[in-house]
Amino acid sequence: DAKTTQPNSMESNEEEPVHLPCNHSTISGTDYIHWYRQLPSQGPEYVIHGLTSNVNNRMASLAIAEDRKSSTLILHRATLRDAAVYYCILRDGRIAGTASKLTFGTGTRLQVTL
Amino acid sequence: NAGVMQNPRHLVRRRGQEARLRCSPMKGHSHVYWYRQLPEEGLKFMVYLQKENIIDESGMPKERFSAEFPKEGPSILRIQQVVRGDSAAYFCASSTGTGSNQPQHFGDGTRLSIL
Repeated sequence: DAKTTQPNSMESNEEEPVHLPCNHSTISGTDYIHWYRQLPSQGPEYVIHGLTSNVNNRMASLAIAEDRKSSTLILHRATLRDAAVYYCILRDGRIAGTASKLTFGTGTRLQVTL
Repeated sequence: NAGVMQNPRHLVRRRGQEARLRCSPMKGHSHVYWYRQLPEEGLKFMVYLQKENIIDESGMPKERFSAEFPKEGPSILRIQQVVRGDSAAYFCASSTGTGSNQPQHFGDGTRLSIL
């Protein structure tokens, strides 16, 4: 599996935008970029995913670099409830079955302060 | 629209006992995944099941652990003769399909403590 690199931690002030970076320099053309987050004492939660184009949903935006070697998860207005560990995960689109598993790294721990 | 339901939320067992963890996927989902999160460690894939079939068990320990997803009823992760090292949070996820653009929806986990 192609590997991702994320900063260990980031801080943000409440109601400000947050840009969470992810490097994936060995990404293949068929890898989807997924983001999940895990709030304290909860299971992971799907946030967003994309392949080549930028994506928006009600939770966040995903900006994908033109060469796809990096991406950025954007929270437009951070709230205290966004404090979590954010995981950037690549999933190979070529292989069914065994490609279904998610490979979690260490993620980025986001702290949000008043 | 209920999400993935796991029970119990907390389970305490003594060494040597059996632990049974249950997972009811989201309605309409026929694909179930189990992950384990050891204390101070990341989430690790254990097993992927589709109704009545194990598709990928590459992350399952070779002994004492088994999983099933019967035609009727929840998926069960079973740990026999538990040891202290089995203490962890066990998460179940479900999805509608296997495509790499299909998100997985997680339950809130079962926290297993071994005395």
